[in-house]
Amino acid sequence: AQSVSQHNHHVILSEAASLELGCNYSYGGTVNLFWYVQYPGQHLQLLLKYFSGDPLVKGIKGFEAEFIKSKFSFNLRKPSVQWSDTAEYFCAALAPTGTASKLTFGTGTRLQVTL
Amino acid sequence: GAGVSQSPSNKVTEKGKDVELRCDPISGHTALYWYRQSLGQGLEFLIYFQGNSAPDKSGLPSDRFSAERTGGSVSTLTIQRTQQEDSAVYLCASSLIGPGDTQYFGPGTRLTVL
Repeated sequence: AQSVSQHNHHVILSEAASLELGCNYSYGGTVNLFWYVQYPGQHLQLLLKYFSGDPLVKGIKGFEAEFIKSKFSFNLRKPSVQWSDTAEYFCAALAPTGTASKLTFGTGTRLQVTL
Repeated sequence: GAGVSQSPSNKVTEKGKDVELRCDPISGHTALYWYRQSLGQGLEFLIYFQGNSAPDKSGLPSDRFSAERTGGSVSTLTIQRTQQEDSAVYLCASSLIGPGDTQYFGPGTRLTVL
């Protein structure tokens, strides 16, 4: 069965520190990848997505993610985090072939940014 | 414009009772999804509606769970004979065409089964 793994469950960083959140997926073929974010008290929203082309994807609020096919990874990065980045981050994958019509989400990473 | 709305925002029920959760997707979105988020878990896919096609029910955990989407718009998720393990946040999302599009999530319904 397809799966998405996020190994960092809770990350605490000071403001201005660099961020990298890990995401690995289990599909062998073509895959579409997403990062969603849930700020405290808000809805889940899309941060960025990868479908094809340049494996380095830029998203909102200075976030980026790199698709590395050989490592089955799609790690999220930000050079300098802000207190307002405190949120829960979810990686998700979609295998668009066959009958796989659903996004598979990881268990999420809670990021806490301290002042 | 209006986003995805869900009602109620919170529901407390007794074990064995039936509950109905409602989702109003963004107008014009043909795809609608239900997910469940349990404490410490990721989002678990439940069901997916796409236009007039038969829904993908592959994520429904048991036959106590069912969902319908009337007129291609509003959807209702029904849980019969609720159990304590059904306690979770139930999220609805919609997208313009299908799962590859950006999914817009509602605020969720927090269900507590006593």
